[in-house]
Amino acid sequence: GQQLNQSPQSMFIQEGEDVSMNCTSSSIFNTWLWYKQDPGEGPVLLIALYKAGELTSNGRLTAQFGITRKDSFLNISASIPSDVGIYFCAGRGFGVGNEKLTFGTGTRLTIIP
Amino acid sequence: DTGVSQDPRHKITKRGQNVTFRCDPISEHNRLYWYRQTLGQGPEFLTYFQNEAQLEKSRLLSDRFSAERPKGSFSTLEIQRTEQGDSAMYLCASSLAGSLGSTDTQYFGPGTRLTVL
Repeated sequence: GQQLNQSPQSMFIQEGEDVSMNCTSSSIFNTWLWYKQDPGEGPVLLIALYKAGELTSNGRLTAQFGITRKDSFLNISASIPSDVGIYFCAGRGFGVGNEKLTFGTGTRLTIIP
Repeated sequence: DTGVSQDPRHKITKRGQNVTFRCDPISEHNRLYWYRQTLGQGPEFLTYFQNEAQLEKSRLLSDRFSAERPKGSFSTLEIQRTEQGDSAMYLCASSLAGSLGSTDTQYFGPGTRLTVL
């Protein structure tokens, strides 16, 4: 099935560094979502974006819904050990019949001691 | 805790056996979704229900797969005659749609990890 282009695939950073990742699509979306997944667990919602151009923060996390509706980015400031995990973007299309989410390929974040 | 729950969390089965997974959504949510996630990939949509009606099925959902949500609350996903390629994490999500102010945001359960030997 279709998966969104998410980059980078992996990141190795030191604690305290800022992180930036993004997601692009060939289709436009009505909603962009960012989830974090720990090994063996389901995705946990971090931020939801509902309007083109919207910039939303959740603590140290900030995400933006691109103006073209085809991209989104997620920033994490001052990373801490519990930020380790896999981050997925997900997009949802417009209207009836487009309730499913299309996910990105994931960004694996590792913090180097 | 009133999040999405799934049972079992892990299932190991032999090829050819049938397996059934259960999902209990967040109690007031009217939509329930099933996704499949293989190693190193993001989740992929399988099917979804609005109340008890199954409204969409992905072509990933072969005829060996069947999902039900008989009373519009919990759902089951059955895989018949399992194959090694069915090994994956099966994720359930739920959302609230159609109510004033609802955003139809999907919240996921912890998943059921299936291993087919």
